[in-house]
Amino acid sequence: QKEVEQNSGPLSVPEGAIASLNCTYSDRVSQSFFWYRQYSGKSPELIMSIYSNGDKEDGRFTAQLNKASQYVSLLIRDSQPSDSATYLCAVRNTDTGRRALTFGSGTRLQVQP
Amino acid sequence: NAGVTQTPKFQVLKTGQSMTLQCAQDMNHNSMYWYRQDPGMGLRLIYYSASEGTTDKGEVPNGYNVSRLNKREFSLRLESAAPSQTSVYFCASSEASGYTFGSGTRLTVV
Repeated sequence: QKEVEQNSGPLSVPEGAIASLNCTYSDRVSQSFFWYRQYSGKSPELIMSIYSNGDKEDGRFTAQLNKASQYVSLLIRDSQPSDSATYLCAVRNTDTGRRALTFGSGTRLQVQP
Repeated sequence: NAGVTQTPKFQVLKTGQSMTLQCAQDMNHNSMYWYRQDPGMGLRLIYYSASEGTTDKGEVPNGYNVSRLNKREFSLRLESAAPSQTSVYFCASSEASGYTFGSGTRLTVV
């Protein structure tokens, strides 16, 4: 089983809709969770981080964390064609002393005009 | 502009050749990382350095070596390149929050 799993997609949504991206992780002691956006041919860029159970909102983005169920999700409201990209989920377990992130393979999002 | 600088951006090697990928950050971060990204595989950790003078293996270290030259610089060396090392390589640095990535090196080994 992969440590961090994402549906590869593509997830296709119409412009203005809510896009819902999901991620599950296997290590119960994971403590920090991140969402990155990666445009084709570019490097990943950080969208949001979340550390506690519940929701965290930043503009059109909402990250949701449920540690008991070991999943983290990203909601994108009012989706725009410019949101079309691959979204990477990443987790970190600082108990190991490592700060390195473990990434999922990403979900490709397509927003249709 | 502050950030992570990687060189070169593109490289073609013949099997058996060696090369060093360079990475430098000017954000005074302690931790630096090297990842490779292959289609359908996501980002996989090759090596990381928690601080100047320390390096540790990640998930896929075979065929690579690293040097943390100082706090700013973290290089990745391929001693004898193989076609399986064809990939996009990303360097990153971090402190408490998430990573800042370099722009990547697209490496092809023929």
